[in-house]
Amino acid sequence: GAGVSQTPSNKVTEKGKYVELRCDPISGHTALYWYRQSLGQGPEFLIYFQGTGAADDSGLPNDRFFAVRPEGSVSTLKIQRTERGDSAVYLCASSVGQGAGELFFGEGSRLTVL
Amino acid sequence: QQQVKQSPQSLIVQKGGISIINCAYENTAFDYFPWYQQFPGKGPALLIAIRPDVSEKKEGRFTISFNKSAKQFSLHIMDSQPGDSATYFCAASKTGRRALTFGSGTRLQVQP
Repeated sequence: GAGVSQTPSNKVTEKGKYVELRCDPISGHTALYWYRQSLGQGPEFLIYFQGTGAADDSGLPNDRFFAVRPEGSVSTLKIQRTERGDSAVYLCASSVGQGAGELFFGEGSRLTVL
Repeated sequence: QQQVKQSPQSLIVQKGGISIINCAYENTAFDYFPWYQQFPGKGPALLIAIRPDVSEKKEGRFTISFNKSAKQFSLHIMDSQPGDSATYFCAASKTGRRALTFGSGTRLQVQP
């Protein structure tokens, strides 16, 4: 498909474990975003990449969260020492260009920390 | 600090009726205001967006009304259909910062 692809769609892990979530954006989209959506809430911004670099990581809640986009396409969100409060749907989005415009979201990765 | 406040939390409308969702923002630097629609199990999808240089924007059955002085904007869905049943999020961003600040969402149910 031509949309934003996220894997895994569901991830159940135990408290303290390490988790990686992957995002494959729409081909040609230079901007990539990670958001976190808790149940019954709106998406909360985590980090934004323009190309390979993190242009804005001000939404990352603490140093247990880290994201990379080494080749300017696929991105991985990494969460160390997971906590129960990390349970949420992690959404990835991509967009064209550098100005404000339409974000194309994936279906998300649902993370459950037991 | 909740920078974008959305109401109501839930809304039930009869088929053919008008659905109205309201948002208020605090940061006067915001200059881009989109509305996103989200179905269960799916990611949000852009519905319509407005910038503060206009007071209204219409696309089909969807209209955004914008009141800069009151720092409020609203989404109107005319002739609401059961297929419009979804969660709607308002959002805002400012020039120089791409991050969108989302409201808490409105769950719309259109009854046939």
